[in-house]
Amino acid sequence: GAVVSQHPSRVICKSGTSVKIECRSLDFQATTMFWYRQFPKQSLMLMATSNEGSKATYEQGVEKDKFLINHASLTLSTLTVTSAHPEDSSFYICSAPYEDRDFGEQFFGPGTRLTVL
Amino acid sequence: AQKVTQAQTEISVVEKEDVTLDCVYETRDTTYYLFWYKQPPSGELVFLIRRNSFDEQNEISGRYSWNFQKSTSSFNFTITASQVVDSAVYFCAPSSGGYNKLIFGAGTRLAVHP
Repeated sequence: GAVVSQHPSRVICKSGTSVKIECRSLDFQATTMFWYRQFPKQSLMLMATSNEGSKATYEQGVEKDKFLINHASLTLSTLTVTSAHPEDSSFYICSAPYEDRDFGEQFFGPGTRLTVL
Repeated sequence: AQKVTQAQTEISVVEKEDVTLDCVYETRDTTYYLFWYKQPPSGELVFLIRRNSFDEQNEISGRYSWNFQKSTSSFNFTITASQVVDSAVYFCAPSSGGYNKLIFGAGTRLAVHP
C-alpha cells in the first residue's frame, strides 16, 4: 500500500526555537495533506489542511503564524512550529489521501514526537 | 459541527472474548464515509475498515465486523475472539465536509489480557 513518511521521528528543542517537520508521500502524489496534533492519551485533533501550491487552511483555534505549513510539491508538506514553547510538546501526525474515484483512503505518517524544554 | 462520541473510554477483556466498540456521530453531510483506525503503543495509525454512508450492508472481514445504522448514526466495530495483539486505542473517524477530511473520536483503549 501507499506509504507516508515523517521526519524526524523525535525532536527535542529549547523553548523559543523553531522546528520543521516533514511529511512525504513516498509512492504517490498528494495535492492535499493533513496535519494532526495528539496530546498524551487524547484524540487526534486536525490542525490544518495543506494544499499543494496554495495556502493552508487552518482549523479554528490554530494559530497560522505559529504553525507554518508549506506544501511546495506533490509529495512534500512541511510543518514548522515557530518559537516553540513547552505547551507545543505533542505528537504531530500527517496524513495524505490516496485519491481515486472513490473516497481517498487516508495514509498516515508514523508521527513526530516534539518535546520542547 | 461534526461530532464523534466513543462513550467507552477503556475496555478490558480476556483473550478470546468478543468485544464491541461503540461509535455515535453527528454530521450535516448527506454523503460521508466512516472509518475505524487502530493506534498501537508505537503510535502509528493502522487503517481497519471504511464504510460509505449510502451502503448500510454490514460485513465481516476476518475477525472484524461492523454494524452501521444510519438511522441512529452509529457505526460499531466488533472484534471476534480477541487477541493480546489487539490491545491498542481504537478511533472512529467520520469524514467531514470535503471527503478527505476526518474527524476523530476520543478513542477507546482496549486491553486484551492473556
